Amino acid sequence: GENVEQHPSTLSVQEGDSAVIKCTYSDSASNYFPWYKQELGKRPQLIIDIRSNVGEKKDQRIAVTLNKTAKHFSLHITETQPEDSAVYFCAALKTSYDKVIFGPGTSLSVIP
Amino acid sequence: ETGVTQSPTHLIKTRGQQVTLRCSSQSGHNTVSWYQQALGQGPQFIFQYYREEENGRGNFPPRFSGLQFPNYSSELNVNALELDDSALYLCASSFWQGNIQYFGAGTRLSVL
Repeated sequence: GENVEQHPSTLSVQEGDSAVIKCTYSDSASNYFPWYKQELGKRPQLIIDIRSNVGEKKDQRIAVTLNKTAKHFSLHITETQPEDSAVYFCAALKTSYDKVIFGPGTSLSVIP
Repeated sequence: ETGVTQSPTHLIKTRGQQVTLRCSSQSGHNTVSWYQQALGQGPQFIFQYYREEENGRGNFPPRFSGLQFPNYSSELNVNALELDDSALYLCASSFWQGNIQYFGAGTRLSVL
């Protein structure tokens, strides 16, 4: 069935360094890939997304890349700040059917 | 903050009981999806409702059921509660087909 894998499960970086989280998906029909940030005790919040007709998208310190052939997509956070500490979830879905398959999450800690 | 609201915020039940969770979608959204998030895991898709009909279902037993009302609000019902049903239950609303899903803050269910 549909599956999304995510690595690493935990990530610690020094403030100001970059963080990279990688995901792979199994369903080649997936064409929309959102990333959610979930702070402790709070709801998942969409931080960036990418559609399958685009290879890369940037929004200030956050960027996402997509390799459709390899079925990989990655989140890049530059100049990390303590407030970036949270659990990050990648997800994949087919826009003709909104069932969102989430990865297991990456717990990011930014050390001041 | 999104316009998606969920009630109650916390709930404690015992095994075998039944529970109803409620979700009001963001204004203008016609699709509601429900997710179960166990501690330390990513959200798992339960089902989705569009125009008061169940549009798709994840790997959850029939004792998980739902409703969507003409105003697009939704209920999740769980019968014969089991200890493993303890989790954060999230609903997310969106426009139909492939648009961004906005999450509510969730209902934390504890089954004793």
